Amino acid sequence: EVQLLESGGGLVQPGGSLRLSCAASGLTFSYYAMNWVRQAPGKGLEWVSTLSGSGGTTYYADSVKGRFTISRDNSKNTLYLQMNSLRAEDTAVYYCAKDSDASGSYSDCWGQGTLVTVSS
Amino acid sequence: QLVLTQSPSASASLGASVKLTCTLSSEHSSYAIAWHQQQPEKGPRYLMKVNSDASHSKGDGIPDRFSGSSSGAERYLTISSLQSEDEADYYCQTWGTGIRGVFGGGTKLTVL
Repeated sequence: EVQLLESGGGLVQPGGSLRLSCAASGLTFSYYAMNWVRQAPGKGLEWVSTLSGSGGTTYYADSVKGRFTISRDNSKNTLYLQMNSLRAEDTAVYYCAKDSDASGSYSDCWGQGTLVTVSS
Repeated sequence: QLVLTQSPSASASLGASVKLTCTLSSEHSSYAIAWHQQQPEKGPRYLMKVNSDASHSKGDGIPDRFSGSSSGAERYLTISSLQSEDEADYYCQTWGTGIRGVFGGGTKLTVL
């Protein structure tokens, strides 16, 4: 059974930084693209970033481009999201999601999420 | 621009059936989509992929009450024999060449 476990969320001041992690188990991690998707309070799902299985191709939403960096360590089965220059509007639950293939298509497994709150 | 459109809300009675719709932008009418369910206070759960030919492939453990279909630019999720735990938000997702992570706005399903 594939399991995804996010960690690293918390309270951070505007302009601050935070790194999220997603530990994956039950799969050959490098075979699959991985994503970060967030959900602001009371809002719908918003895609943040996708990273191919090899780590060679990245995609970012315009709202986070230049501030967030997605990465992975296939030897540790772990996905990361480095978030810099955080803003109030980045406040959300951040979900890690596994895609169905290596290049990225649709998500077929989700984590339980980690809450990021950006506030002074 | 690749866009998915969903009605904000839907409702149906316990034990009845409901059909939710996700509409692709017209120039992308051949694209496949995926359906996800998000119960209150929980993370999303993958339900199924629906192709333009109406074929679909469900996630592990998804009950037979959930089925997918397609017509033109519309992709459907039908839930039969509605149960109280089906009350949730339902999102569709698609992707394309160089495009990732396109979500619809979600449909909030109320079971009466």
